[in-house]
Amino acid sequence: GAGVSQSPSNKVTEKGKDVELRCDPISGHTALYWYRQSLGQGLEFLIYFQGNSAPDKSGLPSDRFSAERTGGSVSTLTIQRTQQEDSAVYLCASSLEGRGSGNTIYFGEGSWLTVV
Amino acid sequence: AQSVTQLGSHVSVSEGALVLLRCNYSSSVPPYLFWYVQYPNQGLQLLLKYTSAATLVKGINGFEAEFKKSETSFHLTKPSAHMSDAAEYFCAVEGGGTSYGKLTFGQGTILTVHP
Repeated sequence: GAGVSQSPSNKVTEKGKDVELRCDPISGHTALYWYRQSLGQGLEFLIYFQGNSAPDKSGLPSDRFSAERTGGSVSTLTIQRTQQEDSAVYLCASSLEGRGSGNTIYFGEGSWLTVV
Repeated sequence: AQSVTQLGSHVSVSEGALVLLRCNYSSSVPPYLFWYVQYPNQGLQLLLKYTSAATLVKGINGFEAEFKKSETSFHLTKPSAHMSDAAEYFCAVEGGGTSYGKLTFGQGTILTVHP
């Protein structure tokens, strides 16, 4: 596609439920990132995928968070047993090459998650 | 560890006035530096980036930023603000060491432009 596509754009879920957020990166981009943007916390790195390498999961805040990337393209971020503090905008991004390249990272419009 | 500090969470200017958004970074190696803009209910859009070429970087919409190694700064400027510049601006650094290639963002600066 022309840009990074994320779905759903908005999700309201009950505390304790699981949610899945999907990201479709720009075609041909080998690197994929998930960030979380919440009020007062700025933009937090969550996880990074580069090609077939093991993902960098160092930013995931707890073991309730997981992500996978299938076929080097689409990625799904899963949050289990959601808590109110998980409410945030989850941003996906992709770049042509990965880290250390200075490549432009292109962001999707985000998935706004509200846990009630 | 690398970090980014944006001085001023809110900046307000009059239309036609100079825009100056401040960014200071820390990084153990020469970094890549970026400015992103986020309009309401939209994703982040790249304004400009520094990748060790010219220290004065020109971006979209008339913005530019100057990399000053001695001051560890990468301030964003625009000579004359437009109403359409009202948005949130994020400075980011991609550095090295244990933070190799990880993009770290500042807390953001909300720019308000008054008529």
